[in-house]
Amino acid sequence: KAGVTQTPRYLIKTRGQQVTLSCSPISGHRSVSWYQQTPGQGLQFLFEYFSETQRNKGNFPGRFSGRQFSNSRSEMNVSTLELGDSALYLCASSLDAGAGANVLTFGAGSRLTVL
Amino acid sequence: KNQVEQSPQSLIILEGKNCTLQCNYTVSPFSNLRWYKQDTGRGPVSLTIMTFSENTKSNGRYTATLDADTKQSSLHITASQLSDSASYICVVSAKDSNYQLIWGAGTKLIIKP
Repeated sequence: KAGVTQTPRYLIKTRGQQVTLSCSPISGHRSVSWYQQTPGQGLQFLFEYFSETQRNKGNFPGRFSGRQFSNSRSEMNVSTLELGDSALYLCASSLDAGAGANVLTFGAGSRLTVL
Repeated sequence: KNQVEQSPQSLIILEGKNCTLQCNYTVSPFSNLRWYKQDTGRGPVSLTIMTFSENTKSNGRYTATLDADTKQSSLHITASQLSDSASYICVVSAKDSNYQLIWGAGTKLIIKP
């Protein structure tokens, strides 16, 4: 059974550019959550999608957005990149909605560096 | 305010030794508590999940305890191995409408040969 797949694994962008990250959940999982992790910081919740609908959103500016497709694959987009957006972006999938009520399986992450 | 605090921030021990990591939380209402292991540059991997009624749970050489009265949890690692070098993160789920997860900052564990 394939795990959670995130692409790309590494990418470098410059300030002002935008970036799109992709996450393919475990087959049968309908919920996808996104997290940002910066050095020395705990995971910061970005948003959760379930059945193509954003279910929850963390405290991030509108430059951070996401969506989920009918096959449960999800993308997140960050526009007008800032240096502070450099981070490891993690995607987690679960069978059902509500991360806290379900077992989360994480992908390996996408390491974004903004120069 | 819902919070999860972990101690120590970092820990260095010799291979083969045991160690205990601590987690204190102020999350209400409580749903469950999880411990994750995160290797550098990788996603977290679940070690244990405990509900209110569980006070001990093991996963190989990892044993987690939960005291819901004092709102404390610990993760005990027995006979440490080099591969145990990682960050260990305590996460508490709040039983609110969103079942939000409150993440600790983690304990960075280094095992030396």
